[in-house]
Amino acid sequence: DAEITQSPRHKITETGRQVTLACHQTWNHNNMFWYRQDLGHGLRLIHYSYGVQDTNKGEVSDGYSVSRSNTEDLPLTLESAASSQTSVYFCASSAGGNQPQHFGDGTRLSIL
Amino acid sequence: QKEVEQNSGPLSVPEGAIASLNCTYSDRVSQSFFWYRQYSGKSPELIMSIYSNGDKEDGRFTAQLNKASQYVSLLIRDSQPSDSATYLCAVKDRGGADGLTFGKGTHLIIQP
Repeated sequence: DAEITQSPRHKITETGRQVTLACHQTWNHNNMFWYRQDLGHGLRLIHYSYGVQDTNKGEVSDGYSVSRSNTEDLPLTLESAASSQTSVYFCASSAGGNQPQHFGDGTRLSIL
Repeated sequence: QKEVEQNSGPLSVPEGAIASLNCTYSDRVSQSFFWYRQYSGKSPELIMSIYSNGDKEDGRFTAQLNKASQYVSLLIRDSQPSDSATYLCAVKDRGGADGLTFGKGTHLIIQP
């Protein structure tokens, strides 16, 4: 069965470090998304991609970057982790148009 | 800025009764509407999608959309304790691959 997997599931790191969260999907979807979920804010869009070599900023993109070198993967990088980036991160993908997004299991990131 | 509003709850409903979850959205160009269920510590799971005015039924779930009133709802019939979760309303603009705008969710508790 097609799926979307995120790794690691949990990570603890220190402020100032570079952190990369992985997202891999086998749906063969062109569109991929990164969200963060925080109490009191719900899910907010960080970055998204329409396809290979395409990336776009979402609502809360400051401090984050993504790259899309193939259809299956959209890694999310925190260049210099800050405590405000402690959150649960979800990756999602969709076939495009009005098709729904399917979510990975999430990464719980703690920055101390 | 696009907004999606939901009552945060908790909404407490007796087992076997109908649970009614409501959502309003601010952007009139919104075209696609989704309900996701999220159990504590888990990822959002798609329950229903609706694109046209009126009702859409799937098993015990019915989604209702009124674009003139910018209102979308989810009815859960014969509520079960396993329906206890947070329900997220999500809205997408016409076309494109940009991400979803989520409400903060309604916490539903089904009382045995």
